[in-house]
Amino acid sequence: GENVEQHPSTLSVQEGDSAVIKCTYSDSASNYFPWYKQELGKRPQLIIDIRSNVGEKKDQRIAVTLNKTAKHFSLHITETQPEDSAVYFCAPDPGGGADGLTFGKGTHLIIQP
Amino acid sequence: DGGITQSPKYLFRKEGQNVTLSCEQNLNHDAMYWYRQDPGQGLRLIYYSQIVNDFQKGDIAEGYSVSREKKESFPLTVTSAQKNPTAFYLCASRGNEQFFGPGTRLTVL
Repeated sequence: GENVEQHPSTLSVQEGDSAVIKCTYSDSASNYFPWYKQELGKRPQLIIDIRSNVGEKKDQRIAVTLNKTAKHFSLHITETQPEDSAVYFCAPDPGGGADGLTFGKGTHLIIQP
Repeated sequence: DGGITQSPKYLFRKEGQNVTLSCEQNLNHDAMYWYRQDPGQGLRLIYYSQIVNDFQKGDIAEGYSVSREKKESFPLTVTSAQKNPTAFYLCASRGNEQFFGPGTRLTVL
């Protein structure tokens, strides 16, 4: 099975600064790399994803970069805002996802005013 | 997300009782999943189903059971054999991407 590690477990940044969360995985067959955001008491929501034929994808203030050789991918948030405060999960997917995703333990992002 | 519903939102159970959590989707997705989330933790897979009338155990299936009689529905039963059932339960379905329902928070009294 897939072993997934996220770093850091907690990240505190000043509002307006950038935040980077890294996810490492073990299964070289992984070909789909989503990031989920979960606000307190709510469901995880997909915020950005990337497939293995692409190295980087950007959507406004968030981006995901992929390094398949090193088996890691990262979430980048620029110009952070208070509403970015949440827990972020990565879930690299080796087999089309039909068998369920393996989630990292999460990164608690705190935006300091 | 939109199109996946779970009920109830909050559920209280006495020790020794079985309870069933509902999950319905109108996204026409074949694959459905149940995850458990404990406070401050990630999500762990309980059961999944790739097609009607078929389902597979996930990483923490002990003490749980499921059925998949209809494409739209994937109910989860938490049995009395589950020793620590208090948790947040999330149902999901998947087409090209995986989307979650709003969750059911189960508390054992």
